[in-house]
Amino acid sequence: AQTVTQSQPEMSVQEAETVTLSCTYDTSESDYYLFWYKQPPSRQMILVIRQEAYKQQNATENRFSVNFQKAAKSFSLKISDSQLGDAAMYFCAFDTSGTYKYIFGTGTRLKVLA
Amino acid sequence: ETGVTQSPTHLIKTRGQQVTLRCSSQSGHNTVSWYQQALGQGPQFIFQYYREEENGRGNFPPRFSGLQFPNYSSELNVNALELDDSALYLCASSPGDRGSETQYFGPGTRLLVL
Repeated sequence: AQTVTQSQPEMSVQEAETVTLSCTYDTSESDYYLFWYKQPPSRQMILVIRQEAYKQQNATENRFSVNFQKAAKSFSLKISDSQLGDAAMYFCAFDTSGTYKYIFGTGTRLKVLA
Repeated sequence: ETGVTQSPTHLIKTRGQQVTLRCSSQSGHNTVSWYQQALGQGPQFIFQYYREEENGRGNFPPRFSGLQFPNYSSELNVNALELDDSALYLCASSPGDRGSETQYFGPGTRLLVL
């Protein structure tokens, strides 16, 4: 069975600084997708960034980038130039073969300090 | 916003009662997945419907059931409510039952069982 682990329950970052959120996963599958989702308080969960396992190149979306280490089964999220609006719960998610049946980690609460 | 809506936003029930939660997917999305998010946890996959048929279930008992309708709406029904059913229930829609796109999440229904 697949598992997703987020070992940092809470992280803090100063505005304009860089922060990295960690995620590890366990699977025997070769075809899968990894995601980072952001869940602001009382608001909808939205996609931050997506990585296809078959792609060696790390995904990047503006200030957000990932460090995908397939052999180590690690998928960390780097947020550069942190903004107050980045404060939220961040969830790492795994999807086998694009079935849309996600397995989520327990989340990391990110606080951004002004 | 993601174009996925859920109703009601909040609900209070007592143990043993039954509840129906509703979701309206993005137009054209044939797949809807339901997740249970307990307080302080990541979402857990309940089940998925594709073209009005159940297409996979997580580790949830049969008292959790669902329906999907041709108009891109769906329901999650929970019978014989238990205290541990208190959670945020999320639905997510996607264009097919398999693919590389992301799911789009609704804002959730927060259920409290007393």
